[in-house]
Amino acid sequence: TQLLEQSPQFLSIQEGENLTVYCNSSSVFSSLQWYRQEPGEGPVLLVTVVTGGEVKKLKRLTFQFGDARKDSSLHITAAQPGDTGLYLCAASRSNYQLIWGAGTKLIIKP
Amino acid sequence: DVKVTQSSRYLVKRTGEKVFLECVQDMDHENMFWYRQDPGLGLRLIYFSYDVKMKEKGDIPEGYSVSREKKERFSLILESASTNQTSMYLCASSKRTGFYGYTFGSGTRLTVV
Repeated sequence: TQLLEQSPQFLSIQEGENLTVYCNSSSVFSSLQWYRQEPGEGPVLLVTVVTGGEVKKLKRLTFQFGDARKDSSLHITAAQPGDTGLYLCAASRSNYQLIWGAGTKLIIKP
Repeated sequence: DVKVTQSSRYLVKRTGEKVFLECVQDMDHENMFWYRQDPGLGLRLIYFSYDVKMKEKGDIPEGYSVSREKKERFSLILESASTNQTSMYLCASSKRTGFYGYTFGSGTRLTVV
């Protein structure tokens, strides 16, 4: 069974701090995606990474795909309250489906 | 602004009722999905459809059925609602392959009493 494990499950930090969340698997994936979900809303796609070792930046967010394409990380620099949300990673299960991690719930305190 | 629209944000239904959750997308996407999301359990796939009138069971199809008569509309049906179906229901759509990512609706918070 393909699994995506996300860590930590919960993270609460002060505004201005840096943080990293992880998405790990024993399986190799062709691509991996990160989503952010705000309370009461559906997840929103942030980025797709495809190539092993790939790094993508989205303002203060840096996404990295592991060299072996089994894991990924999301680093946030100088976190802001607007970064609060549930961060989900997802990887291709088939042509149609994604498999999902359980998420990291992030709270940024002002 | 392209989007996925779910018909209701909040629903309260009684045990045993037949419940219809509607989802419409305006992106001409081939694939549509129904998930439920529960604390600690993440997103669990109920059903998906990769074409009109086509449907495939996901990981937790028991107690649910779906209908896709038109490309833009995917309906989830709870045949006889039970309290353990109280959950957040999320509809999503994507292009033929999931590589381009999913677009989600805002969700329907269903409470069965």
